[in-house]
Amino acid sequence: EAGVVQSPRYKIIEKKQPVAFWCNPISGHNTLYWYRQNLGQGPELLIRYENEEAVDDSQLPKDRFSAERLKGVDSTLKIQPAELGDSAVYLCASSPRQGVFYFGAGTRLSVL
Amino acid sequence: DAKTTQPPSMDCAEGRAANLPCNHSTISGNEYVYWYRQIHSQGPQYIIHGLKNNETNEMASLIITEDRKSSTLILPHATLRDTAVYYCLPSEGGKLIFGQGTELSVKP
Repeated sequence: EAGVVQSPRYKIIEKKQPVAFWCNPISGHNTLYWYRQNLGQGPELLIRYENEEAVDDSQLPKDRFSAERLKGVDSTLKIQPAELGDSAVYLCASSPRQGVFYFGAGTRLSVL
Repeated sequence: DAKTTQPPSMDCAEGRAANLPCNHSTISGNEYVYWYRQIHSQGPQYIIHGLKNNETNEMASLIITEDRKSSTLILPHATLRDTAVYYCLPSEGGKLIFGQGTELSVKP
């Protein structure tokens, strides 16, 4: 069974440019999460989806970040425009039940 | 949300048991304790979870104190591939709140 798939694995952009990350969760997992992980820190929750509905986006910086999960399967996280402080690893996870999360390998973003 | 406290780093000799402690004195009665680990350049990986009773699976054992204020993750025979950051975290309401974790170094 394939795990959570994220792409791209790495992305380097200049500040003020837009960027998008894609996530394909494990089939049948209705709950999907986006986390951001800064160097040396634990992951921080950005947004949580139940099917196609964002049920917790309180930590998502809505002035520049947006996310969508069309048809309740794949999800896209976008930053526009990117800032230097957005450099981090962006992790996607899906969950079949409370507390048990399956994470993708993440997208490492570098903003120059 | 319950707050957890873990030592920032630990060393363990290969083949020996690794015992990773976690303090979660503010955990509520219906919050499970979950353990995850993150190997370098990978996403976090689920290890084990428990509520009141001790738990064991193919990866590890989890010992929870009777008052539920602390727990210990035990890797019975640590290998070099167990070198990772280990996170102890409660989960309630469908969220996992990560702290700093314990960086475990398994040495030959």
